[in-house]
Amino acid sequence: DTEVTQTPKHLVMGMTNKKSLKCEQHMGHRAMYWYKQKAKKPPELMFVYSYEKLSINESVPSRFSPECPNSSLLNLHLHALQPEDSALYLCASSHPGLETQYFGPGTRLLVL
Amino acid sequence: AQSVTQLGSHVSVSEGALVLLRCNYSSSVPPYLFWYVQYPNQGLQLLLKYTSAATLVKGINGFEAEFKKSETSFHLTKPSAHMSDAAEYFCAVTLKAAGNKLTFGGGTRVLVKP
Repeated sequence: DTEVTQTPKHLVMGMTNKKSLKCEQHMGHRAMYWYKQKAKKPPELMFVYSYEKLSINESVPSRFSPECPNSSLLNLHLHALQPEDSALYLCASSHPGLETQYFGPGTRLLVL
Repeated sequence: AQSVTQLGSHVSVSEGALVLLRCNYSSSVPPYLFWYVQYPNQGLQLLLKYTSAATLVKGINGFEAEFKKSETSFHLTKPSAHMSDAAEYFCAVTLKAAGNKLTFGGGTRVLVKP
């Protein structure tokens, strides 16, 4: 099973709202990732968790707050977003190191 | 630093014709290379990967890619295009020194004409 699930599929939020994106995998992977993808562009790495610890933060604004409660779950908490944050947010997981990353279907976020 | 360049942001092929998507990488050490496909409104699906074993790599859906160190290339091919191959294709690279960081090329959108 190489499935990564993400909820919700779509999310519309105002600039003052607080919302969370969720990602789950049951492949025993100990590395999990958040990517942001704008239309017609490649995914851009936001955060990497390795063994439930944040290992890479690509200078992401603090209005995005990641959380890894356990080895199977990854959350992205959103607060006071801007319209330019509207994008497809992709979660991925892998074994730590130079291993294949498996992607979820993404959450399409619209900030009004 | 690692980087990936995909030549051609759009490729149009006829059904049954050869599909050739170009990818060149920049790395001072041996890289790991990947091709992913993204269908509309979906996530990325792994097509194939090169991890320093065989230089000719076979993937899913009839795709294959050849690693050429002398040309720093990892081009993706499929002998006969199918309508279902219409999608966005991304080449990506990672290095041992970069940890888990995957760097993507700009992507190539494939259009298949009947």
